[in-house]
Amino acid sequence: GESVGLHLPTLSVQEGDNSIINCAYSNSASDYFIWYKQESGKGPQFIIDIRSNMDKRQGQRVTVLLNKTVKHLSLQIAATQPGDSAVYFCAETPGATGRRALTFGSGTRLQVQP
Amino acid sequence: EAGVAQSPRYKIIEKRQSVAFWCNPISGHATLYWYQQILGQGPKLLIQFQNNGVVDDSQLPKDRFSAERLKGVDSTLKIQPAKLEDSAVYLCASSFYGAEQYFGPGTRLTVT
Repeated sequence: GESVGLHLPTLSVQEGDNSIINCAYSNSASDYFIWYKQESGKGPQFIIDIRSNMDKRQGQRVTVLLNKTVKHLSLQIAATQPGDSAVYFCAETPGATGRRALTFGSGTRLQVQP
Repeated sequence: EAGVAQSPRYKIIEKRQSVAFWCNPISGHATLYWYQQILGQGPKLLIQFQNNGVVDDSQLPKDRFSAERLKGVDSTLKIQPAKLEDSAVYLCASSFYGAEQYFGPGTRLTVT
């Protein structure tokens, strides 16, 4: 399949390490934030979301942190595995219900070294 | 549950030709989106439908792009005539009234 994100910033980690992917957003009206994972040749896949009234949310092996003061979002992946290798996008939308279309960031490629 | 289906998966055309993409959303999903993803960038919204009505088409280049969602289910996106800069992956997504969006595999368009 085609390669997603040939010129994206790349984070390279060793298998088993923790990964932190960062995202800055610009729209202060954004109320709902999502992290997506995109593997080559596939569409984006939902990982975790967070609403603006929260600053932290945990899922299975993933944690999202939101700092609205500095408009910063981060995705933490615990015990990174080779299957986590992909391009990761943050996305935002105004309105806590997420009924508006998403505005995506530029993405970060995560490479997990075995 | 079947996911979002798109066809074709790949398409190569010459500039000034026409092309159409098809999307079948997840059953019961009222909201359908078309995104354009240029290589190395995040997806960018082209058009959003709620049932068969357009909610947002502000970023759709209407001089060459058109989309429809007859009967509020399947949707087609058309480009006529295509330009070199239209080379991208065209993603369709659907959601149940604006909840979590599910993406299809996309159609990769190459314009030569």
